[in-house]
Amino acid sequence: LAKTTQPISMDSYEGQEVNITCSHNNIATNDYITWYQQFPSQGPRFIIQGYKTKVKNEVASLFIPADRKSSTLSLPRVSLSDTAVYYCLVGPNRDDKIIFGKGTRLHILP
Amino acid sequence: GAVVSQHPSWVICKSGTSVKIECRSLDFQATTMFWYRQFPKQSLMLMATSNEGSKATYEQGVEKDKFLINHASLTLSTLTVTSAHPEDSSFYICSATAGPYQETQYFGPGTRLLVL
Repeated sequence: LAKTTQPISMDSYEGQEVNITCSHNNIATNDYITWYQQFPSQGPRFIIQGYKTKVKNEVASLFIPADRKSSTLSLPRVSLSDTAVYYCLVGPNRDDKIIFGKGTRLHILP
Repeated sequence: GAVVSQHPSWVICKSGTSVKIECRSLDFQATTMFWYRQFPKQSLMLMATSNEGSKATYEQGVEKDKFLINHASLTLSTLTVTSAHPEDSSFYICSATAGPYQETQYFGPGTRLLVL
């Protein structure tokens, strides 16, 4: 099982860059790394997905070191509306289980 | 693209009644759909995985006779909470994937169930 570990919570200020790191020491060769954002009383929303090195889209960047045992979600110039819970999910392969970790509760301050 | 809807968005029912929640992939065919439950301030807990035309696979501790899942087509899965009790009150979320290897999940908006 590809278990993940993230900080429980983080605070930052508007306009800052926020980096959230996820540890996944037992990631499998075929596993991808996917990050989701969840607001209260809503379903999670896909942010970004990667396999190795760096991935970037219009909302975030994802940095994955060569050993792939961790990944860092980078949110540029956050705003109050980025206050949410962020989940890192690894895998799954076809026969693997899906396990959502506790996520990181990001609180953006004015 | 990749929009998933759920209906209803919230439901209040009396103890002992059954409640059906629908999950639809609106603009893609979902090879696999997942059902999660989320209690306040907690993470999502996978309840079951369903593939179109086959029986759902339930996670350990989830009663398959209580949480009936039907995946009748590539765009529709339903979760029926039978004989609901107050402890079944929760936020139920479905997700769907288009690929064969459970790649990116696209989540529905969730259904809030309150059992009185």
